[in-house]
Amino acid sequence: NAGVTQTPKFQVLKTGQSMTLQCAQDMNHNSMYWYRQDPGMGLRLIYYSASEGTTDKGEVPNGYNVSRLNKREFSLRLESAAPSQTSVYFCASSEPRGSGNTIYFGEGSWLTVV
Amino acid sequence: RKEVEQDPGPFNVPEGATVAFNCTYSNSASQSFFWYRQDCRKEPKLLMSVYSSGNEDGRFTAQLNRASQYISLLIRDSKLSDSATYLCVVTSSGYSTLTFGKGTMLLVSP
Repeated sequence: NAGVTQTPKFQVLKTGQSMTLQCAQDMNHNSMYWYRQDPGMGLRLIYYSASEGTTDKGEVPNGYNVSRLNKREFSLRLESAAPSQTSVYFCASSEPRGSGNTIYFGEGSWLTVV
Repeated sequence: RKEVEQDPGPFNVPEGATVAFNCTYSNSASQSFFWYRQDCRKEPKLLMSVYSSGNEDGRFTAQLNRASQYISLLIRDSKLSDSATYLCVVTSSGYSTLTFGKGTMLLVSP
């Protein structure tokens, strides 16, 4: 009963380093999302993918790139990490039709940029 | 005006108390509404959807007022295990994405 799986769970990066957060879902959902959550800011959408082959910017896309590799996988890449990208990152998926847009989250990735 | 606004909290209540959370949204075209619960250092999880007619799930009651663009969550007979942050969630105009409020923290004490 995996649901949404994201890796790594914890990561420390130096400023300027790059890394990719991986996400996979086994619920056959069309829509996938990457959110970041910061104290006092709530969850903010970085990028989303409404279906395989499409991606769109969310509220805070700067400094990030995404790839919808296939229906299951949606990765988030930081090309040159900055301290402002220290955050908790959540991958999520949903099926817009028929389930009322219920969104399922992964367990989160804690990223620290020093 | 922010898209989704919630009471800032935290709410500190004793066990057995009734507590109400309020949420307002700015987009009158919003389609779907939810309450999510997030425990400390965990991912958000769906608590309940919110329907125009109001809906109840055990000790939890959700209400929607489209005219006032207002959503509420009432928790009766609070338990220690209800301690968490409660997030109000609204679909955005694109329907493919959801907008989250910042959440209201609830602390239930013995």
